[in-house]
Amino acid sequence: EVQLVESGGGLVQPGGSLRLSCAASGFTVSSNYMSWVRQAPGKGLEWVSVIYSGGSTYYADSVKGRFTISRDNSKNTLYLQMNSLRAEDTAVYYCARNYYMDVWGKGTTVTVSS
Amino acid sequence: DIQMTQSPSSLSASVGDRVTITCRASQGISNSLAWYQQKPGKAPKLLLYAASRLESGVPSRFSGSGSGTDYTLTISSLQPEDFATYYCQQYYSTLFTFGPGTKVDIK
Repeated sequence: EVQLVESGGGLVQPGGSLRLSCAASGFTVSSNYMSWVRQAPGKGLEWVSVIYSGGSTYYADSVKGRFTISRDNSKNTLYLQMNSLRAEDTAVYYCARNYYMDVWGKGTTVTVSS
Repeated sequence: DIQMTQSPSSLSASVGDRVTITCRASQGISNSLAWYQQKPGKAPKLLLYAASRLESGVPSRFSGSGSGTDYTLTISSLQPEDFATYYCQQYYSTLFTFGPGTKVDIK
């Protein structure tokens, strides 16, 4: 079964760091475009970052320079390293497969608060 | 960056109604457009991609059309399970963007 499972969310203070993981099953992460998408409480969807099958990475302006997307091919897992976190980064973070996002995880919640 | 707008932002409709949602991109996106449905507390679900291609398993009452900068999602006969928020997303640019969403609720 094709599946994505996110983990690593939690409560962090402003300025802190967190690493999210997205474990894939049923397909190969490195053969696909993989994205992170977030949704702040009561708000719409915001694309955060993508890693192409070839390894190129792109970021939304709101996170560029603070977040890093990566993958571990041996673990078939996608990551999002989040540094210098701000209150406005509070959201449910989803990972998704492909440029039109055909497979989504259930999300992991990140709360940035003192 | 390509900006996406949607109209209306919300609508009220009855079961059986025909519903149309519009999505507009700030520049041409060559049909590189997807539509998603999201219900409260759930992850989004892909409905259509390439503007008009129906994702496997999605009911045929959902359809998409458009070209250039303007696209539409149509639900031909609204069903109780269709009450949700709908988002468009462009993937023409390396920086993907979503529209702000259209909430469809019960009249």
